[in-house]
Formats: sequence, structure tokens, C-alpha cells
Amino acid sequence: NAGVTQTPKFRILKIGQSMTLQCTQDMNHNYMYWYRQDPGMGLKLIYYSVGAGITDKGEVPNGYNVSRSTTEDFPLRLELAAPSQTSVYFCASLHEGGAYEQYFGPGTRLTVT
Amino acid sequence: KNEVEQSPQNLTAQEGEFITINCSYSVGISALHWLQQHPGGGIVSLFMLSSGKKKHGRLIATINIQEKHSSLHITASHPRDSAVYICAVRGGAQKLVFGQGTRLTINP
Repeated sequence: NAGVTQTPKFRILKIGQSMTLQCTQDMNHNYMYWYRQDPGMGLKLIYYSVGAGITDKGEVPNGYNVSRSTTEDFPLRLELAAPSQTSVYFCASLHEGGAYEQYFGPGTRLTVT
Repeated sequence: KNEVEQSPQNLTAQEGEFITINCSYSVGISALHWLQQHPGGGIVSLFMLSSGKKKHGRLIATINIQEKHSSLHITASHPRDSAVYICAVRGGAQKLVFGQGTRLTINP
């Protein structure tokens, strides 16, 4: 199993550009999450999904969108990138009914200038 | 006030010392997680606790549900233990709320 994979690892965007951060897991987990981590701050939940076709907002959803068309994939879309979205983004998944351990992807470091 | 508070924020110790990192939370939880984030950025789960105490190698985690407090201990610390240690509490939809992390540096 590859676990949770994220692409790209690094990206620099100009203000106003858009991009999609990809997240894929091969563990057949039903729950998936997107977090952002700002320097010196705890991880904050952006969006989450409890299964294919179901998504919901987390703590800091503004400026982002998600979709969950398959169990495996949970892409995060940034529209009209702003400097405040400069952060490290982590995707995670877990299987409800299992050990409830969250498995994290390696992260995407995004800079908006 | 954050829902999850960790202390200390930074900790530097000498190899071999006994390390304690504390976590206090103010919300109802179904479980508490301890995570480790290495300098390369990857995050791995160390423990999940809903009561009592767990041990894995040189790491011990305890939780007191009544006092809403958890501790992570490292015995015989080693430079490879240098990392950021993160406390997170689990609530509805299995969502985690994270502390700000404790940066641990172990000097040889």
C-alpha cells in the first residue's frame, strides 16, 4: 500500500491563480480530511468527507473547494489564490470502525506571491 | 483560548533525560491522539488514548479524562527523538482539533 499520497510536493502560485492539490489513498478509508499548517500554529481543518459524494466544511473553508467522487480521491481546489493561503497542506484519511488512526500524506508546501 | 493547549512550546534537553510534554483540553472528546512531526514534515501517529496509559518502546502516554489532561513521556531521550510532538483531540465525524505542537530538541 502506498498509503496517502499528495501531489505536488511544492508549488508557487501568483495571486489570483487557481490550482488543485491532489490527494489519493489506497486503504479504502471512508473518511478523508484536508488540513493546513501555518508556522507556529496547530493544524486547522479545511474540509472533510465521510464517504464518496459527501463533503463538509471544517474550521477554515473560505477560499477552498473540494469534491469526493470516489473513495480514493479527495482533491482540494484553490480559486483565486491569496497570500493568506501560503501554508503547508496535509491530507489524511481514516477508516471508521478500525483503529481510528489518521494516516497523513507527506504534505504540499504552497507559496502564493 | 485554544481548545487544546500544549506545554511547553519548546523544549531542549540533553541526551538521556526524561522528557514530559503536557496537553490540556477544554472540550468533550472521544479520544486523544499524540502525533510526531519530523523536520522533513511528515506526520505519524504515536498513540490514541481514551483512558489510562499506553506504552510503546521508550514512549509513554497517559490521559486523565476527569482533569482533561494528557502527558507524553520519553524515557532515555535520544537525538533522533528531536521532532515536533502534537496533541490532538477527536470529536464528531472523527475530526481532530490540534494543539500548536511542542518542538523538542535533544542534544548529544
